[in-house]
Amino acid sequence: GAGVSQSPSNKVTEKGKDVELRCDPISGHTALYWYRQSLGQGLEFLIYFQGNSAPDKSGLPSDRFSAERTGGSVSTLTIQRTQQEDSAVYLCASSPGIYSNQPQHFGDGTRLSIL
Amino acid sequence: QKEVEQDPGPLSVPEGAIVSLNCTYSNSAFQYFMWYRQYSRKGPELLMYTYSSGNKEDGRFTAQVDKSSKYISLFIRDSQPSDSATYLCAMSASAGGTSYGKLTFGQGTILTVHP
Repeated sequence: GAGVSQSPSNKVTEKGKDVELRCDPISGHTALYWYRQSLGQGLEFLIYFQGNSAPDKSGLPSDRFSAERTGGSVSTLTIQRTQQEDSAVYLCASSPGIYSNQPQHFGDGTRLSIL
Repeated sequence: QKEVEQDPGPLSVPEGAIVSLNCTYSNSAFQYFMWYRQYSRKGPELLMYTYSSGNKEDGRFTAQVDKSSKYISLFIRDSQPSDSATYLCAMSASAGGTSYGKLTFGQGTILTVHP
């Protein structure tokens, strides 16, 4: 079956522009997670959704970052006024539920480069 | 100090060798332990998933968890060139509070298996 799908796969933009990254989870998965992978920091948790709610936003690095999920399916991560330090691979994962005994499955990520 | 420490390598071994990958952690709340494999420009792929202490075997892969030492390992037997990838350990706490399903990753170990 289809896995987690992320778009675009690559995004190059100028500093100060806004970007939107999209994630389509595995059908039927109620939990959705965003992570960021960068050379210096490894893979870091950003935010998770259970349905359309985001109980834990603790990993968002600044108020320039926001995310939403609609219809319990597609999620969008938005970065406003991008900075060079935002350059990274943004990964989305989904799982059947939010409990730790339900492993997460990842998409291939969006590679974001800020010029 | 990071919650999860993983030797980044790189690790280079000949085909057929036994590979040992390790992570240590400091958070005693971690109960679920995973190993992910990540090929270049791809998302992490779940390899092994274990709960609490003990061993789990799947084909050429064996995962071990020693909670008393806060130490986990992944062994790869009869390594193949196709095993060349970055291996990431990941952990999560049991359900409760705001840590539902949130994964904390090691830095990843780069493995090369040469023919």
